[in-house]
Amino acid sequence: DTGVSQDPRHKITKRGQNVTFRCDPISEHNRLYWYRQTLGQGPEFLTYFQNEAQLEKSRLLSDRFSAERPKGSFSTLEIQRTEQGDSAMYLCASSLARDRGNEQFFGPGTRLTVL
Amino acid sequence: AQSVTQPDIHITVSEGASLELRCNYSYGATPYLFWYVQSPGQGLQLLLKYFSGDTLVQGIKGFEAEFKRSQSSFNLRKPSVHWSDAAEYFCAVGAGGYQKVTFGTGTKLQVIP
Repeated sequence: DTGVSQDPRHKITKRGQNVTFRCDPISEHNRLYWYRQTLGQGPEFLTYFQNEAQLEKSRLLSDRFSAERPKGSFSTLEIQRTEQGDSAMYLCASSLARDRGNEQFFGPGTRLTVL
Repeated sequence: AQSVTQPDIHITVSEGASLELRCNYSYGATPYLFWYVQSPGQGLQLLLKYFSGDTLVQGIKGFEAEFKRSQSSFNLRKPSVHWSDAAEYFCAVGAGGYQKVTFGTGTKLQVIP
C-alpha cells in the first residue's frame, strides 16, 4: 500500500499519560499536515510541515502538543499529560508542493481515547 | 480567514434519487475548493476539486460540483444515488501558499432502499 499510513490506529490511555502517534506520508510528498477531528465536526488543522520544517501551528496546538518531522519523511505527534478533551481522531495528510491543486491524501487516522 | 458552511447535518435520500449537498464558503480571493467523503473507519477520500477553469467539476464515483462565485457556493451533486454512497461528506476550502485547508462540519448521507 503506497498511501498515507498512521500508527497506531487506536490508542486508549489514562489522563495524564503521554502518547505519540506516527504518520508515514506518501514517499515523494514533501508537505505533511496534522488535523484533529472530534465527533460531529470536520477535521481541524493542527500543523503543517514542508520537508522537515514546521511552518505553521494552529492555536489549537497547545504547549502539550509537539510535532516533528525529522529528515522530512515520517512525522510524529506527541501529546503530553493527556486530558479527556484530547479524545479525538488525529488525521495525517500529505501532498506534493508542485501539485497546483494541492490534493491532500489522508491516512486512516489514529483514534485517541483518554479515560 | 477562510470558512466553510454546510447547512445540512443529515440528509436522507432514496436509492436512485438525485442528490445535492450544499456548501458555502467565505474567502477573500479565488479559493481552492474540495469535496471529501469519509466512510466509517476509512480515511478521507477526495471526490473532486476546483481551483480554476470550468466551474462545473467532474469527480469520481459519478459526482460533480459547480462553483458559483456570486453565491459563494460549491454544491455537490449526483444524478442517481447508490446505497454505497452512504457516508459523511465534507466540503473544504484551501488558501494560502501551502493551501491550508478548512473543512465544514460535514453532511451525513443516509440512503434508503
